[in-house]
Formats: sequence, C-alpha cells, structure tokens
Amino acid sequence: QQQVKQSPQSLIVQKGGISIINCAYENTAFDYFPWYQQFPGKGPALLIAIRPDVSEKKEGRFTISFNKSAKQFSLHIMDSQPGDSATYFCAASKNAGKSTFGDGTTLTVKP
Amino acid sequence: DGGITQSPKYLFRKEGQNVTLSCEQNLNHDAMYWYRQDPGQGLRLIYYSQIVNDFQKGDIAEGYSVSREKKESFPLTVTSAQKNPTAFYLCASSAGEDRDTEAFFGQGTRLTVV
Repeated sequence: QQQVKQSPQSLIVQKGGISIINCAYENTAFDYFPWYQQFPGKGPALLIAIRPDVSEKKEGRFTISFNKSAKQFSLHIMDSQPGDSATYFCAASKNAGKSTFGDGTTLTVKP
Repeated sequence: DGGITQSPKYLFRKEGQNVTLSCEQNLNHDAMYWYRQDPGQGLRLIYYSQIVNDFQKGDIAEGYSVSREKKESFPLTVTSAQKNPTAFYLCASSAGEDRDTEAFFGQGTRLTVV
C-alpha cells in the first residue's frame, strides 16, 4: 500500500518555465510534508516543507501548495533553471516519526 | 561541521559475503534510518531506530541487520541472505518526537555485488 503517490515520474521544462510536481497522500494523520532535492550520486537534502495549518509556503522560487481536503500537495518551481535539474521527492510523516516518501520525479530543465 | 557521514562511498562485495556500511552523525539526533534506493523506485525504508538500543524493521528488512549501541552510530550489515544487494544505500537522521522532523541524509554508499 503506497501511502504517498507522486507524479509525474519525469518532467522536462524549458529554462524560465514553471515546474510542477504533485503528491497525494492517504493518511490524514500526516502532519509534516517536506520536499527533498537530490542530485546524482548525492543524498537528498531538504528543499522546503509545510505543515497542514497553512495552504501555501514560498521560499524564493520554490512554493508548496497544500490542499488538506483533497489530501494533495504540490511543488512549484518558478523560473526553472538548468541547475534545478535533479530528482525531487515528496514525503509525509506524523508525530515526528519516520517519513513515507514518494517515488521521486526526475526534473530536466533545458537551456 | 555537523552532519551525517557514510562510509565507504563505494563498496564491492562478492556473493555470499556479509558487508557492513557505516553511518555516523554528530547532530545529536535521536532517530536514525537506513534507506535503499534503486532507479525508479524512490527510497525504501530498511530499518530505523528512534532511541539507542532499540530499532524496528522497515518495509524491506529481510537480508539486513542493524545495531544502535551508540546514539551517533547506526551501522547496517547486508547479509548473504539479501538476494539483490546491489543498490545505493542512504542513512538519515532526524531530531525525533516533538521536534522538527526534517531528515538529514548522508552522501550514500553505492554497493555492488561482483
């Protein structure tokens, strides 16, 4: 049973465009929703995170949109750059416990 | 600098041999995790530990073993019972209950069975 479903599996965007990655979760007890960015051969690193008491969080070019009723959240990357090319993982956890990860999205930003 | 150190970065193992991957953290985190990453399959949880001398199986624990004798160390042993051990292994830690749950990852160990 996959508790966090992520889409698309891969995404190609032109430089300057908007990249959008979506995640859906099943467990309503989840209370922390981070996004991680991973470059090839490296470990993932936290990009941005949100808790369900807010519907949107923005940090620079990265925005999380959160829809509690639909049990969905998404990552928007504005003005995408070639340096943003990486694999992105959404995750969810409850009560500060272990995270459940989505399967990842490989983003390629073409110059 | 605070962080998580995994060693070695690359590891080669002959079939039938056990091998141990090292993970050390100096973040004073209570919780530590081991994940396996295969292409197109995301991160799968092998084992996790929320406190010293205690650990729980994750989703794919068969063929693996761990220990948590010290707060800062969480080594993973890949045993000969693991049928397909070639993968990228990631160790992570987090502060634990009632605190921020951001996971900090090491740089990974790529294990290849030859």
